[in-house]
Amino acid sequence: GQQVMQIPQYQHVQEGEDFTTYCNSSTTLSNIQWYKQRPGGHPVFLIQLVKSGEVKKQKRLTFQFGEAKKNSSLHITATQTTDVGTYFCAGLTQGGSEKLVFGKGTKLTVNP
Amino acid sequence: NAGVTQTPKFQVLKTGQSMTLQCAQDMNHEYMSWYRQDPGMGLRLIHYSVGAGITDQGEVPNGYNVSRSTTEDFPLRLLSAAPSQTSVYFCASSSPSSGYGYTFGSGTRLTVV
Repeated sequence: GQQVMQIPQYQHVQEGEDFTTYCNSSTTLSNIQWYKQRPGGHPVFLIQLVKSGEVKKQKRLTFQFGEAKKNSSLHITATQTTDVGTYFCAGLTQGGSEKLVFGKGTKLTVNP
Repeated sequence: NAGVTQTPKFQVLKTGQSMTLQCAQDMNHEYMSWYRQDPGMGLRLIHYSVGAGITDQGEVPNGYNVSRSTTEDFPLRLLSAAPSQTSVYFCASSSPSSGYGYTFGSGTRLTVV
């Protein structure tokens, strides 16, 4: 079945440093979504990427979708303590299925 | 707008008991899903639905049943609880009108002893 791999599993940074998490799918995706979950909270939708090679920005966050639509990345510039949490990618396979499969997430901690 | 409402927030069950986790959304979303979250395992899809009367299995459906008789409600039934079902359960809903991003409920923390 479809698998979505995410690395690294954990990342600890000093405040102000950059952070990147990577997502790879075993199958071609129709789109990929990114979520953030704060400690003790529930996942919150950040963004969806649909087009091959797409790049989207939200303030200090940059999201990319690979040309083959099998990989994606989330980059945070100059991390802040408010960025703490677990970041998940989630992919929908091509073919019209609404089966959204999540990666295991990257837990980000930020040292002030 | 309450969004996605899950009840109960906490539950302790004995092995072999059955129960239903409730999920309701007031956003008229077509798609609804149930996920379980375990440490180090991320979010795993249990069952999902693309509309009233339509359900399908996700990655880990065994031991769980769902039904979707209305657009608003998507209950998850545990038939005979097992300690391996100890987890945090999240219900989520989505729609093309919401850009397909899922809105999650606040979760149900279930412990099976």
